[in-house]
Amino acid sequence: SAVISQKPSRDICQRGTSLTIQCQVDSQVTMMFWYRQQPGQSLTLIATANQGSEATYESGFVIDKFPISRPNLTFSTLTVSNMSPEDSSIYLCSVPPGTGGLTTEAFFGQGTRLTVV
Amino acid sequence: AQSVTQLDSQVPVFEEAPVELRCNYSSSVSVYLFWYVQYPNQGLQLLLKYLSGSTLVKGINGFEAEFNKSQTSFHLRKPSVHISDTAEYFCAVSAGGTSYGKLTFGQGTILTVHP
Repeated sequence: SAVISQKPSRDICQRGTSLTIQCQVDSQVTMMFWYRQQPGQSLTLIATANQGSEATYESGFVIDKFPISRPNLTFSTLTVSNMSPEDSSIYLCSVPPGTGGLTTEAFFGQGTRLTVV
Repeated sequence: AQSVTQLDSQVPVFEEAPVELRCNYSSSVSVYLFWYVQYPNQGLQLLLKYLSGSTLVKGINGFEAEFNKSQTSFHLRKPSVHISDTAEYFCAVSAGGTSYGKLTFGQGTILTVHP
């Protein structure tokens, strides 16, 4: 199983600023996923980060607001741009494990708890 | 596309009592099914998963779930809960192929175990 490190673990930011969240995986993975968990809510997929191509965004999420980088197979960043209090959430990165064969569960980083004031 | 419905937003139960957390899903393709647990102020932990084969799946911490294809359900059960099981539980599905790993989550069920 993969080990995922996410930084920062939490942050308090001023509205109008941007925050970049880093996700480091201890093995090479083709796809990485970014999720958002708003207060008291479930998790919603923001986008899929593929190495060597543009990220694929889910409905309701756009690149200008959540730009994603994927410079190599072990690292990705998610930026939350021009933040507002509505962006206060936990942001999590995730990877599907294994290479080849029947892969099973998704693994999650510990999340970044963002508060926008 | 897939969707997941967790039928109970909150489930209170007394310690050592049995519990069932209900999950129904909808999908036009075969899916993989998962249950995750989130303890307060912590990340997600996988409890168990269903891929194929036996419809009764056993996971960690004494939890088990049964996949029922005809009822499109994947209910989570534990015969005797502990105070430490107090947490939020999420049911999730993933399709296979190029969509593998993209999870659709239910809204979560908060399990509160009382002494």
